Amino acid sequence: NAGVTQTPKFQVLKTGQSMTLQCAQDMNHEYMSWYRQDPGMGLRLIHYSVGAGITDQGEVPNGYNVSRSTTEDFPLRLLSAAPSQTSVYFCASTMAGSNQPQHFGDGTRLSIL
Amino acid sequence: GQQLNQSPQSMFIQEGEDVSMNCTSSSIFNTWLWYKQDPGEGPVLLIALYKAGELTSNGRLTAQFGITRKDSFLNISASIPSDVGIYFCAGLQGAQKLVFGQGTRLTINP
Repeated sequence: NAGVTQTPKFQVLKTGQSMTLQCAQDMNHEYMSWYRQDPGMGLRLIHYSVGAGITDQGEVPNGYNVSRSTTEDFPLRLLSAAPSQTSVYFCASTMAGSNQPQHFGDGTRLSIL
Repeated sequence: GQQLNQSPQSMFIQEGEDVSMNCTSSSIFNTWLWYKQDPGEGPVLLIALYKAGELTSNGRLTAQFGITRKDSFLNISASIPSDVGIYFCAGLQGAQKLVFGQGTRLTINP
């Protein structure tokens, strides 16, 4: 049981490049989310999905797109990377239903030059 | 954006000491969660609190959900070296939207 798997673990991009961060979970969780973590600010929600075909914006969605074509996968796309998007990105998943704890991946460390 | 106010931001203690950290919010949450993050890894859930006033323990960890539903604390008793890391509180909004505190970085001197 791999849990939540994020790829790549590290990436360096140039300003203006595009990139997709991958997230996959094998727990058949309905809910999946993307967070970014910046120094001294904890984690902030970017986008989330309550099931295949359904996505919604979180606290900091600008500059990011998501899609949920399958229950297992929830990719995060940067269409035109900016230095302000340098961060550590975490994907999380959880079962449907209230109060279910979220399981986090190990993160993708992204640097935009 | 909304964030929880977590304090202290950092702690430097001796091995064996007890630790206390807390979170406050201007908003009500129906679920409070405490996570620990080790370097290079994602947050790992330590304790989940579901009812106002609830006091829950997990080994040497004890957490409480404030009566007003706007605060929570986490205590660690008899700290050991593996307790080093960053601790985050989080409030759950709706089904899955987590709002995080800024984190408390715990350093332990042996």
